[in-house]
Amino acid sequence: DTGVSQDPRHKITKRGQNVTFRCDPISEHNRLYWYRQTLGQGPEFLTYFQNEAQLEKSRLLSDRFSAERPKGSFSTLEIQRTEQGDSAMYLCASSPVGGEANIQYFGAGTRLSVL
Amino acid sequence: GQQVMQIPQYQHVQEGEDFTTYCNSSTTLSNIQWYKQRPGGHPVFLIQLVKSGEVKKQKRLTFQFGEAKKNSSLHITATQTTDVGTYFCAGPGGTGKLIFGQGTTLQVKP
Repeated sequence: DTGVSQDPRHKITKRGQNVTFRCDPISEHNRLYWYRQTLGQGPEFLTYFQNEAQLEKSRLLSDRFSAERPKGSFSTLEIQRTEQGDSAMYLCASSPVGGEANIQYFGAGTRLSVL
Repeated sequence: GQQVMQIPQYQHVQEGEDFTTYCNSSTTLSNIQWYKQRPGGHPVFLIQLVKSGEVKKQKRLTFQFGEAKKNSSLHITATQTTDVGTYFCAGPGGTGKLIFGQGTTLQVKP
C-alpha cells in the first residue's frame, strides 16, 4: 500500500490520559498536514510540516497538543490530558513538491473517543 | 479569517435526478479543490480548478470556478447510488494548508 497510513484507526481513552497517533505519508512527499474533523464538519487544519520543520500551527492546537516529524518521514501527534472535546477524527495528509503540490492525499484517519 | 461556505448542507435526491452544491469563499482564491468523502471514509481528491470561469468535467460531474474566483459549484447529472457521500470544496489558506467548507452530504434513493 503506497497511500498515507495512520495508526491506530480507533482510540478510546479516558479523560486525562495522553494519546499519540502516528502518520506515515506517501514516500517522497515532503509536506505533511494534520487536520481534525468532527461530525458534520469539514476537516480543520491543525499543523503543517515541510520535511522535518513544523511551519505552521493553528490556534486550535492548544498547549496540550504537540506534533513532530523527526527526519522528515513519519509524524506523530500527541494529545496530553485529553478532554471530551478532543473527541474527533484526526486526519493526516501529505502532498508532493512541484506541480501537484496543492493536492493533498488523506489517510483513513484515527478516530478518538474520550470518555 | 478566511472562510469557505457550502450550501446546501444536506441533499436527498431520487436516483437519476441531478444534484448541485455551491461553494463561496470570503476571499479571492488562487485555486479551488473538490474532495469526496464516502460514509466512514476519508476525503479523496476529485479535481482542482485554477482559472477564472474554468469548467471541467469528469463523466457526470461538472465543476465550475466563478469569474471572480470566489465561488465554485459541482453539478452531478443523473445521480447514481455510487455518488452517495459528502462533497467538500477547499481553498488554499496559505503555506499549502486547505480551508474546507462544511460539505454537502448527498443521499440518493434508489
